[in-house]
Amino acid sequence: EDKVVQSPLSLVVHEGDTVTLNCSYEVTNFRSLLWYKQEKKAPTFLFMLTSSGIEKKSGRLSSILDKKELFSILNITATQTGDSAIYLCAVNTGTASKLTFGTGTRLQVTL
Amino acid sequence: DSGVTQTPKHLITATGQRVTLRCSPRSGDLSVYWYQQSLDQGLQFLIQYYNGEERAKGNILERFSAQQFPDLHSELNLSSLELGDSALYFCASSFGGADEKLFFGSGTQLSVL
Repeated sequence: EDKVVQSPLSLVVHEGDTVTLNCSYEVTNFRSLLWYKQEKKAPTFLFMLTSSGIEKKSGRLSSILDKKELFSILNITATQTGDSAIYLCAVNTGTASKLTFGTGTRLQVTL
Repeated sequence: DSGVTQTPKHLITATGQRVTLRCSPRSGDLSVYWYQQSLDQGLQFLIQYYNGEERAKGNILERFSAQQFPDLHSELNLSSLELGDSALYFCASSFGGADEKLFFGSGTQLSVL
């Protein structure tokens, strides 16, 4: 059975801190790994990673994939209260863009 | 706004009842996915349709069924509802290729009392 595991489950940091969120996976057919941010309701797309070692960056957020060790990390630098959300990691495991999700990391950024 | 529309936003019903959740995909997207999110679980894949045909199936209960219509909107039917079916149900859409990101709707919060 395909499995995606995220750690930590939750995290509380102060504004300005840097955080690293982890995602490891065991799947039979890896196509890509995606990160989503879920604030109130709808998950919104952050990154899609397909190749090992290539960092994707968007502002203060960045992510990298290690296909040999089967994990990815999402870094957020200089955190802001608006970064408070659940961060979801998902792996595309089939020909139909079906995503298998981890349970998420709940990040709370305090003043 | 992702462009994926789900209705209703909230639904409260009783055990044993049947409900229908509706989803309109983004303009141009052919594929629709349904996911269930419970309090202590991540997003669980239920089913996917592509251009009217079922393409992939997850751990969808036999009491649940879905379809995609010619105008590409989709409906998820949940019947003989149980307390444990209370969850947030998301619809997502994509064009339908193999390596695409999914765009999610705002979800339908179902409460079974």
